[in-house]
Amino acid sequence: VVMTQSPLSLPVTPGEPASISCRSSESLLYSNGYNYVDWYLQKPGQSPQLLIYLTSNRASGVPDRFSGSGSGTDFTLKISRVEAEDVGIYYCMQPLRSPWTFGQGTKVEIK
Amino acid sequence: LQLQESGPGLVQPSETLSLTCTVSGDSISGSSFFWGWTRQPPGKRLEWIGTISSGGTTYYNPSLTSRITVSVDTSKNQFSLKLTSVTAADTGVYYCATERRDSYNYIDQWGQGILVTVSS
Repeated sequence: VVMTQSPLSLPVTPGEPASISCRSSESLLYSNGYNYVDWYLQKPGQSPQLLIYLTSNRASGVPDRFSGSGSGTDFTLKISRVEAEDVGIYYCMQPLRSPWTFGQGTKVEIK
Repeated sequence: LQLQESGPGLVQPSETLSLTCTVSGDSISGSSFFWGWTRQPPGKRLEWIGTISSGGTTYYNPSLTSRITVSVDTSKNQFSLKLTSVTAADTGVYYCATERRDSYNYIDQWGQGILVTVSS
């Protein structure tokens, strides 16, 4: 399954919203009704960290300014009000079909 | 729970890359987690490599199946990756991580990563 993200670079203004799109080459909707897309953030100099699983579930400790949505092949990660600590590379990943595959990454930086 | 990768940072072409992940804060043998490896070649996207359950069931990326072995040593609370016949394309940062593989599939805790360079 090929995961395609856009944009690849996203300059943002603190306090403003931001949105990242992820499109899959196959439907990620499983028979249980869940869409299998995760989102990860790799902050500068750090390992990736889980933000969102099953399209819209925030991982433990993730601020509620992060939200995920989508279904089938089109998914979105939104940040309601960007903060300086949100800079880094955001990856979507599909964990439904083997092998699990990642998007190219979207680099978010402060304007 | 913490994970720490270890192994050589430089591997000769055609040789075998061997990495170990030491787990602290949880027992591999009693855990419901799966134990996996993901890598990131320079300038490229993350690539899931392979995973093993506490019971020894393995899952491999089909693109690497012929060259990869993931194993677990519960007595040492470690799991390992072996990748044979390496080339420059295997250069990258290798991460060990915990995975959930139930109805909530995701990569949970990541190690800090280890840079492996394939070069003579």
